[in-house]
Amino acid sequence: GAVVSQHPSRVICKSGTSVKIECRSLDFQATTMFWYRQFPKQSLMLMATSNEGSKATYEQGVEKDKFLINHASLTLSTLTVTSAHPEDSSFYICSASNLAGVHEQFFGPGTRLTVL
Amino acid sequence: RKEVEQDPGPFNVPEGATVAFNCTYSNSASQSFFWYRQDCRKEPKLLMSVYSSGNEDGRFTAQLNRASQYISLLIRDSKLSDSATYLCVVNLYNQGGKLIFGQGTELSVKP
Repeated sequence: GAVVSQHPSRVICKSGTSVKIECRSLDFQATTMFWYRQFPKQSLMLMATSNEGSKATYEQGVEKDKFLINHASLTLSTLTVTSAHPEDSSFYICSASNLAGVHEQFFGPGTRLTVL
Repeated sequence: RKEVEQDPGPFNVPEGATVAFNCTYSNSASQSFFWYRQDCRKEPKLLMSVYSSGNEDGRFTAQLNRASQYISLLIRDSKLSDSATYLCVVNLYNQGGKLIFGQGTELSVKP
């Protein structure tokens, strides 16, 4: 299957700082990338869908001004958690697809964010 | 009601046991179906797609009943390495390929 990377794999930051997470498709062009969040003992929840060159579509209840998503190229999407707070501590996972998710989505290894 | 619901688990079984997971989905627009496996603190990995005719991959058999909006996964001759959380997932093509995940069922296979 295709390879998707995420960086960093783990980040610990102070409350109030901003954290940027990168998601890269390494061997294919991802027209669509998805950002998920997973709290302990819970399932993955879709936060937003990102199409290259256009604004992301956010799920209900996800603040677009707090979770900034940029998908400037076909191989890179970034998620910035602005002014992070302890309740934002979670496992953030991206996935990438080359045809609006009609075909398989390939998941990155995830980023574990801890906000102190 | 959750869009995708699974057995709450956890399932604790001995090696060699057969274990079955059940899943129901509420959105009739769901068009494709999957079982993913997620190991602790890792990303989910696709285990198998689920087809209307049912499909098998080695020790794993998946079934889909569209009329009942029900999906199942059967694992035969379970191994220690099968210990993980199994996620039932549906894909909504009419919503841009959005994947909806069930809450997962944890499986622990003991020696």
